[in-house]
Amino acid sequence: EVKLVESGGGLVQPGRSLTLSCAASGFTFDDYAMHWVRQGPGKGLEWVSGIGWNSAGKGYADSVKGRFTISRDNAKKSLYLQMNSLRADDTALYYCVKDGIYGSGTYYYLDSWGQGTTVIVSS
Amino acid sequence: QSALTQPPSASGSPGQSVTISCTGTSSDVGGYDYVSWYQKHPDKAPKLVIYAVNKRPSGVPDRFSGSKSGNTASLTVSGLQVEDEADYFCSSYAGSNNWGVFGGGTKLTVL
Repeated sequence: EVKLVESGGGLVQPGRSLTLSCAASGFTFDDYAMHWVRQGPGKGLEWVSGIGWNSAGKGYADSVKGRFTISRDNAKKSLYLQMNSLRADDTALYYCVKDGIYGSGTYYYLDSWGQGTTVIVSS
Repeated sequence: QSALTQPPSASGSPGQSVTISCTGTSSDVGGYDYVSWYQKHPDKAPKLVIYAVNKRPSGVPDRFSGSKSGNTASLTVSGLQVEDEADYFCSSYAGSNNWGVFGGGTKLTVL
């Protein structure tokens, strides 16, 4: 069974940084692209960032480009999201998500989701 | 990078069918066959119900079906059941710059 467990969320002041982590199990982690998707309060889903199976390809939504950095450690079966210069509109539940295509280097579809970790940006 | 366009709400009675549209551009929905749909119940993680335009993951009832014509994709839920009441989001691959994009979501009410 695929299991994705996010951590690292919390309350942070505007302009500060935070790093989210995701621990994966139940599948061969280094065979799949991974993504972060967020949902702000009362808002829809927003794809934030993705990383290919071997970290060769990375993608970012325009809203976070230049502020967020995605990375992965295949040996530790872990996904990360470094978030800098946080703003109030980054407040959201952040999901760690597995891509559905074996050997994926980009975004295809999202077949397994974690339960999310909450980030609140407020002074 | 603009969100895909979905109607904010849809409704139907148990047993009926409802179709939800998802309109993008030739740079996303119309350009690739990587449209997917997600069902989200309150306080639950989203669940994949359709991928690659019209494929169903194992375990998803065949009441759920997908299609695409030009820049518009559609999700049809047939034989509506009470448990189908949820928010539905479409998504598409959007090219090498932005990778993924979601629609704004449609709240499906089963009357």
